[in-house]
Amino acid sequence: KAGVTQTPRYLIKTRGQQVTLSCSPISGHRSVSWYQQTPGQGLQFLFEYFSETQRNKGNFPGRFSGRQFSNSRSEMNVSTLELGDSALYLCASSFAEDTEAFFGQGTRLTVV
Amino acid sequence: GIQVEQSPPDLILQEGANSTLRCNFSDSVNNLQWFHQNPWGQLINLFYIPSGTKQNGRLSATTVATERYSLLYISSSQTTDSGVYFCAVEQAGGTSYGKLTFGQGTILTVHP
Repeated sequence: KAGVTQTPRYLIKTRGQQVTLSCSPISGHRSVSWYQQTPGQGLQFLFEYFSETQRNKGNFPGRFSGRQFSNSRSEMNVSTLELGDSALYLCASSFAEDTEAFFGQGTRLTVV
Repeated sequence: GIQVEQSPPDLILQEGANSTLRCNFSDSVNNLQWFHQNPWGQLINLFYIPSGTKQNGRLSATTVATERYSLLYISSSQTTDSGVYFCAVEQAGGTSYGKLTFGQGTILTVHP
């Protein structure tokens, strides 16, 4: 079956702009989580959605937001981009809590 | 929150050698996974192993939940095993929905 799909794969934005990233989970999975990976901070949890509800949120500023649709697809948005937002953004899906998480290929965002 | 420590941070091997990667965590967990990050950034699932022992070909893993550590064994290493290995855990309790906390990773380099 198809894995977790993230679009776009690469993105270049200018400081101050906003960006929207998309994640389509594995069919049947209702939990979607987002992570940011940078060389300095490693992999950090952004937020998690389950059945269109945000259940958990990491320690990121309010410029980072997300949502989940009724078909479990999720989007994350970053407003007023800063140079430090340059990172690999990874999305994971799982059937439920305490089950195996599967990751997409990621979106590599560069802010110039 | 839970702390995850991986060791060693770097590991250099000759092809054919065996290795052991360690993951220590500071609290009870419901989920523990080992990943291999490929050069394009995708996290490839190796094991979902909150407790017990599993084997998959040349790789095996053991988690001793009561002592809060997990081990990943790689036998007869190959150059294709090179990359970064991550351990990630989901803390037990009612507030860690979908949140994996990652270690800093072990960078494995296998020379021919």
